[in-house]
Amino acid sequence: EVQLVESGGGLVQPGGSLRLSCAASGFTFSSYSMNWVRQAPGKGLEWVSYISSSSSTIYYADSVKGRFTISRDNAKNSLYLQMNSLRAEDTAVYYCARDPQVHLGELSPGQPLYYYYGMDVWGQGTTVTVSS
Amino acid sequence: SYELTQPPSVSVSPGQTARITCSGDALPKQSAYWYQQKPGQAPVLVIYQDSERPSGIPERFSGSSSGTTVTLTISGVQAEDEADYYCQSADSSGTSRVFGGGTKLTVL
Repeated sequence: EVQLVESGGGLVQPGGSLRLSCAASGFTFSSYSMNWVRQAPGKGLEWVSYISSSSSTIYYADSVKGRFTISRDNAKNSLYLQMNSLRAEDTAVYYCARDPQVHLGELSPGQPLYYYYGMDVWGQGTTVTVSS
Repeated sequence: SYELTQPPSVSVSPGQTARITCSGDALPKQSAYWYQQKPGQAPVLVIYQDSERPSGIPERFSGSSSGTTVTLTISGVQAEDEADYYCQSADSSGTSRVFGGGTKLTVL
């Protein structure tokens, strides 16, 4: 069964740090790009970060840039999110989501073209609460 | 920063057709995706690449695109379709994913 399981959430004081993990099973983790997506209580979904299958490409939302770091260990089938300088507005359920894509070629030299299939597998989420 | 705009709510009676729109300047260039989220559950992908349906998603779910607006259409709405629906795409550079604010679908 294809599965993603997040862990590492909890209560942390403002300015503190937390490391989230996402354990993948049932598929070849090293072949897939991954995302972190969060949802504040009663609010909508917010994309947080993206990492390609080989970790060569990483993107962050402006709201977390410079504070959060995404990484992965393909040998351990795991995705991570290191969160530093946490703020009250980071309080949310954090989901990891698989992001399958196919490389179609080069749009222009140095500009790859991909076919994306959407975030097709999600974990159940882990809750992060930032409060004093 | 780039934004996708959805109506906060849509209401339909069972058996009717629900249409949820999503607007964004980069949508002519970037594909759109739709997710269904029921209370206390993780989101589920229902449409990818504007109009493609993943395996296991009922045929009553369809997607379309026209200019800066994409639309999720649910034909013959059932009570089980009551949920929040989110569109998702990327900015014009493709480096930033973005979600719309979400639309609460109520089945009357």
